Amino acid sequence: DAGVIQSPRHEVTEMGQEVTLRCKPISGHDYLFWYRQTMMRGLELLIYFNNNVPIDDSGMPEDRFSAKMPNASFSTLKIQPSEPRDSAVYFCASSFFGNTIYFGEGSWLTVV
Amino acid sequence: KQEVTQIPAALSVPEGENLVLNCSFTDSAIYNLQWFRQDPGKGLTSLLLIQSSQREQTSGRLNASLDKSSGRSTLYIAASQPGDSATYLCAAPSGTYKYIFGTGTRLKVLA
Repeated sequence: DAGVIQSPRHEVTEMGQEVTLRCKPISGHDYLFWYRQTMMRGLELLIYFNNNVPIDDSGMPEDRFSAKMPNASFSTLKIQPSEPRDSAVYFCASSFFGNTIYFGEGSWLTVV
Repeated sequence: KQEVTQIPAALSVPEGENLVLNCSFTDSAIYNLQWFRQDPGKGLTSLLLIQSSQREQTSGRLNASLDKSSGRSTLYIAASQPGDSATYLCAAPSGTYKYIFGTGTRLKVLA
């Protein structure tokens, strides 16, 4: 298996623009997680899905953030409008039934 | 609410030393705990998953222990090598499948 695939790997955008991050989990995995990593706050869980259904979105910082999982092989995290404080590395991860979590390489977002 | 703490924040050791990384968690009602490695500019790579029913889990030179009653886990690295240099993170679940990560221990092994 190719592992968890994220795109884009790097994105630089201007404040106010919409940003869409994409994730393809490992086939057969039923849990999908979106994390954000910054120097100041470390690795924070934003939202996670089970069988394509959002289970806990309490980590989503504000209404500017939204996440969807239309099917078992695809998820998006959208920020609209983006702000400089959203600059971070966004990781997607997946697992099967609460076992080992597999991370993607991350999407490095810079908002200027 | 689960809180995860890792000590020390950074560690520098000469090659060949055995070392121990510490992870503490506040909610002991966990079903497993996971250890990860992160290289600069990369994602996290799973090292070990230790179930709540286990006390230890081993993979090569790595050994993880879990003591739920005291809220602690340790990662033991034997005969450290420069290639072990990375940040090591532990993660404990808060409720069901909501993993909370520590801030990590940044390890540097000197040749």
